[in-house]
Amino acid sequence: QSALTQPASVSGSPGQSITISCTGTNSDIGSYKYVSWYQQPPGKAPKLIIFNVDSRPSGISYRFSGSKSGNTATLTISGLQAEDEADYFCSSYTNSVTRIFGGGTKLTVL
Amino acid sequence: QVHLQESAPGLVKPSETLSLTCAVSGTPVTSSNWWTWVRQAPGKGLEWIGEVSQSGGPHDSPVAHYNPSLSNRVTISLDKAKNQFSLKLTSLMAADTAVYYCVRGGGTDWFHFDPWGQGTLVSVSS
Repeated sequence: QSALTQPASVSGSPGQSITISCTGTNSDIGSYKYVSWYQQPPGKAPKLIIFNVDSRPSGISYRFSGSKSGNTATLTISGLQAEDEADYFCSSYTNSVTRIFGGGTKLTVL
Repeated sequence: QVHLQESAPGLVKPSETLSLTCAVSGTPVTSSNWWTWVRQAPGKGLEWIGEVSQSGGPHDSPVAHYNPSLSNRVTISLDKAKNQFSLKLTSLMAADTAVYYCVRGGGTDWFHFDPWGQGTLVSVSS
């Protein structure tokens, strides 16, 4: 199975909004609500920030939001802060009863 | 609160078998959860290795699913007595060098990864 497609890097200035796309196929993102996003600061384990396309776990800032259209999911971070600088990964359930991750996107806060 | 902690095998040799365990606290491994292994090669992205769950198997046996690219080398199993789950990866090669994470990968009708263990670095080298 091929990884979901994410941009390698995105950047933005403090206070701005950025989006990270995650493109899959009809066999994964396009067929299920089970799309999730993870934040991974350097040297640390990933942390869940969005699940079921657009739901936030308890304790995650409202500045993080998710959406989906067709085979593409999108993570939006509004009001960028320096602490948001990290790698971000998307994930989806698949029709092969497996899971798949995106290649990851490095967010730089300028 | 669910907490996961990986064992730390460190350095292993090519062609050998990697054995990792993940100690689970806060919930029994026999609960309706998918217990999962994910790895991350240095500087690379996340790779789903596979998962196991006690629920839903025939005759009350565990059910496991694996990444097709690793399925001929991987086994994930449950140890109910120790409340932990394990990963075995055979025929190791340098490309298996990675940080290995154990994660709770879902439950009844949910399929996201939370929480994560801290990760353990496995280096494959002679």
